[in-house]
Amino acid sequence: AQRVTQPEKLLSVFKGAPVELKCNYSYSGSPELFWYVQYSRQRLQLLLRHISRESIKGFTADLNKGETSFHLKKPFAQEEDSAMYYCALRIPSGTYKYIFGTGTRLKVLA
Amino acid sequence: SAVISQKPSRDICQRGTSLTIQCQVDSQVTMMFWYRQQPGQSLTLIATANQGSEATYESGFVIDKFPISRPNLTFSTLTVSNMSPEDSSIYLCSALGGRATDTQYFGPGTRLTVL
Repeated sequence: AQRVTQPEKLLSVFKGAPVELKCNYSYSGSPELFWYVQYSRQRLQLLLRHISRESIKGFTADLNKGETSFHLKKPFAQEEDSAMYYCALRIPSGTYKYIFGTGTRLKVLA
Repeated sequence: SAVISQKPSRDICQRGTSLTIQCQVDSQVTMMFWYRQQPGQSLTLIATANQGSEATYESGFVIDKFPISRPNLTFSTLTVSNMSPEDSSIYLCSALGGRATDTQYFGPGTRLTVL
C-alpha cells in the first residue's frame, strides 16, 4: 500500500542551524513527491516538488529512490521557517490522488 | 496558481444537524478534492468531486454521510450530515488542473465544531 512516513512530529532547531525534515515513502512505481507547508493561520501551500529540482526559501529536497526518501533540507534555519511541513506522494495515475504524511512541526528558536 | 475560497470559514453546530461547505475556485480546474484534518492529525482524503457525476469516495467515507456536489468546473459543496462531535474537524477543499496545473492547491479550510 502507498504510504508516506514523517517520523518526527516535532523538530526544534536554533536559528542558523541546519534543518532536515525526514520523509519516507512506500510506492512500487515512480512517485511524484511534494513538500507542503502551513504557516500559522495560513492555508496549506506548496513548498516544492521533486520534479522541479528547485530551491524555495533556501529549502531543497532530493528524491532518493534507493532509500525511498525525500528529505527536506535547509542549511541555515530562520525563525520564519517555523511551520508545519507535510510530505506528499502523488500516484501518477488518472486519479491524481495525493497521500500526505502526518506532518512535522518545525520550531526555529532564536 | 488557482485561488480557492471556502464558506463558511468556521461554524459551531448542534449534534444531529447538517452543514454544507462551499468551495469556489477562481478558474476552471480539472479535479477538486475534499479532505478532513482532525486535530493533530494529517490530511485524510474524503472524496474526489467529479463534475457532473457522483463523487468518488475513499474507504471509510460514504455518500450518505458526506454528500458532495460539483455542478461545474469551479464550484463544489460538501455536506456533513447528521453531525456528531466526532465530525469536529477542519474540512479542506483542494483543486488541480487548469491554471492549477498538476499541483494541488488548497482552500483556507472550514473549522467545524459539533457540540
